[in-house]
Amino acid sequence: GNSVTQMEGPVTLSEEAFLTINCTYTATGYPSLFWYVQYPGEGLQLLLKATKADDKGSNKGFEATYRKETTSFHLEKGSVQVSDSAVYFCALSDQGDSNYQLIWGAGTKLIIKP
Amino acid sequence: DAGITQSPRHKVTETGTPVTLRCHQTENHRYMYWYRQDPGHGLRLIHYSYGVKDTDKGEVSDGYSVSRSKTEDFLLTLESATSSQTSVYFCAISVATEGNTQYFGPGTRLTVL
Repeated sequence: GNSVTQMEGPVTLSEEAFLTINCTYTATGYPSLFWYVQYPGEGLQLLLKATKADDKGSNKGFEATYRKETTSFHLEKGSVQVSDSAVYFCALSDQGDSNYQLIWGAGTKLIIKP
Repeated sequence: DAGITQSPRHKVTETGTPVTLRCHQTENHRYMYWYRQDPGHGLRLIHYSYGVKDTDKGEVSDGYSVSRSKTEDFLLTLESATSSQTSVYFCAISVATEGNTQYFGPGTRLTVL
């Protein structure tokens, strides 16, 4: 079956550090891949997405590339800010699923220290 | 902003009482979802709907029922609330014109005493 595995948190970095949050997946079909972010006390917001191999999603300085050969969709940012502190979720949607359900990773808490 | 609202935003209730949470959308999206979020479990799908009066179970549907009598409203009912249903509940819609990307409401924090 389909699954998503994220690196465990919390991840603690200093401001302006380089960020990588690893996400790997298993899928029987050709999934779409997503990163969602949840700031403290808030709901989930779509951060970025990619729908086919080698696509790069980007938003707010974050990037992730859909790598079919390594079944990965790692989230990166070149210089993090305190305001990036949040929980980040990787998810996939199997394009063969007619009900468009999302398969979720467990989430990675990111803490940025000034 | 996908035009999703949830009500109430916070609720405290007692074990054994019925509770209904409402999700309202303004853009006529066909698919709607109810999730719960708990520490250590991430997001888990409770029920979803693929049209008026068309619903199906998700991963953790026991103890919950749903109804969708209008496109814009998706109701989640706890028939007899238990302490294990204390959680944050999120509603989501799937936007067909964006490759069925899901967008989420602000959530309802439910505490069952």
